[in-house]
Amino acid sequence: EIVMTQSPATLSVSPGERATLSCRASQSVSSNLAWYQQKPGQAPRLLIYGASTRATGIPARFSGSGSGTEFTLTISSLQSEDFAVYYCQQYNNWPPELTFGGGTKVEIK
Amino acid sequence: QVQLQESGPGLVKPSGTLSLTCAVSGGSISSSNWWSWVRQPPGKGLEWIGEIYHSGSTNYNPSLKSRVTISVDKSKNQFSLKLSSVTAADTAVYYCASTPPQQLVPVEYFQHWGQGTLVTVSS
Repeated sequence: EIVMTQSPATLSVSPGERATLSCRASQSVSSNLAWYQQKPGQAPRLLIYGASTRATGIPARFSGSGSGTEFTLTISSLQSEDFAVYYCQQYNNWPPELTFGGGTKVEIK
Repeated sequence: QVQLQESGPGLVKPSGTLSLTCAVSGGSISSSNWWSWVRQPPGKGLEWIGEIYHSGSTNYNPSLKSRVTISVDKSKNQFSLKLSSVTAADTAVYYCASTPPQQLVPVEYFQHWGQGTLVTVSS
């Protein structure tokens, strides 16, 4: 099983500031990594796939980077609606053993 | 735009079987997507349970494989989850989700999600 580790667990950021979230895989997943945003009481929403491709309708302030075992989600200027929990997910194996990171909560500083 | 809607009992007794259905609208379950179940215990992270293709091919999380069955009903455009021998540890919000249409190389991220349904295991 590929273990995904996200850091930090909680990130306190002021509106308008940049947020940088990290995701590490226990072995290489190439660029087969997605990021999701989840708000309380809602389903996750796809933000990024292929490590760096924004999903349809996702604002340009969200960007993803990395490959192999180290990945980053950057929110360039936090808006009020961006305070949420963010998860990474790898999809590198076949047959799949899809795994998620434990999440990073982005909270208002 | 594919829409997914979970349904099923919100309360299941310990040692019983959890059964949920996901209705697919805005698209055909016979399209080239994989259809998955993902769960989230209260206050915790996401766990993939397993998936099915319209052909009936399935893949399961090894940690749950002995207790999970996912099936598809093309006539009703829906797919279902059965999880047997449940305990309190299976209490969670259960989501159905779908991948994008598959190309030559599988791409198994989740493009569409249902709203989720809370299932509590308790006597």
